[in-house]
Amino acid sequence: AQSVTQLGSHVSVSEGALVLLRCNYSSSVPPYLFWYVQYPNQGLQLLLKYTSAATLVKGINGFEAEFKKSETSFHLTKPSAHMSDAAEYFCAVRVGSGGYQKVTFGTGTKLQVIP
Amino acid sequence: GAVVSQHPSWVICKSGTSVKIECRSLDFQATTMFWYRQFPKQSLMLMATSNEGSKATYEQGVEKDKFLINHASLTLSTLTVTSAHPEDSSFYICSARGGQPGLAGLSYNEQFFGPGTRLTVL
Repeated sequence: AQSVTQLGSHVSVSEGALVLLRCNYSSSVPPYLFWYVQYPNQGLQLLLKYTSAATLVKGINGFEAEFKKSETSFHLTKPSAHMSDAAEYFCAVRVGSGGYQKVTFGTGTKLQVIP
Repeated sequence: GAVVSQHPSWVICKSGTSVKIECRSLDFQATTMFWYRQFPKQSLMLMATSNEGSKATYEQGVEKDKFLINHASLTLSTLTVTSAHPEDSSFYICSARGGQPGLAGLSYNEQFFGPGTRLTVL
């Protein structure tokens, strides 16, 4: 079964510092991987997704992630943290397609940005 | 494009009552809708998948008689929590998937999430 593991439930960075949120996946087939952001009491917003087209994926708000098959990783990065980046981030993997897909989420990483 | 709304955004009810949550795709037709629940400080867990015109498929451990899902149309799905109890208190999030490849530029497989509904059962 496909799954994702997020290392670190809480990450704190200073404003302007590099953001690195870790995600490792387990999949028996080429995976479709996603990063979502959730602000308090809100739904999920898609940051970026990997669908095998390119290993380095650029998303919204300056985030990007690199798919590394050898390391089974899909870490999320941003060169310079902004206060508005404080939120919870979920890595996810999708199985199946169309109306028979299932998205499995990681346990989430709460990002704190220190002024 | 690809906006999904939920109503209500929050609801408080007494134990034993039923609560209905609506999920609407505002600018596209959603062939499939998904319902998730999220406990405090935890991840989202898929409850059920609903394809329009078919009965919902529930995940293991989710009681279908307690969580009634109706995919009434291509733009509306409802989740009814019957005889709610305090342990049903949670954040319920729906998502919707467009049915046609390339429809309005939407990805065939991408899920678009609603803003969530906070349910508190007293």
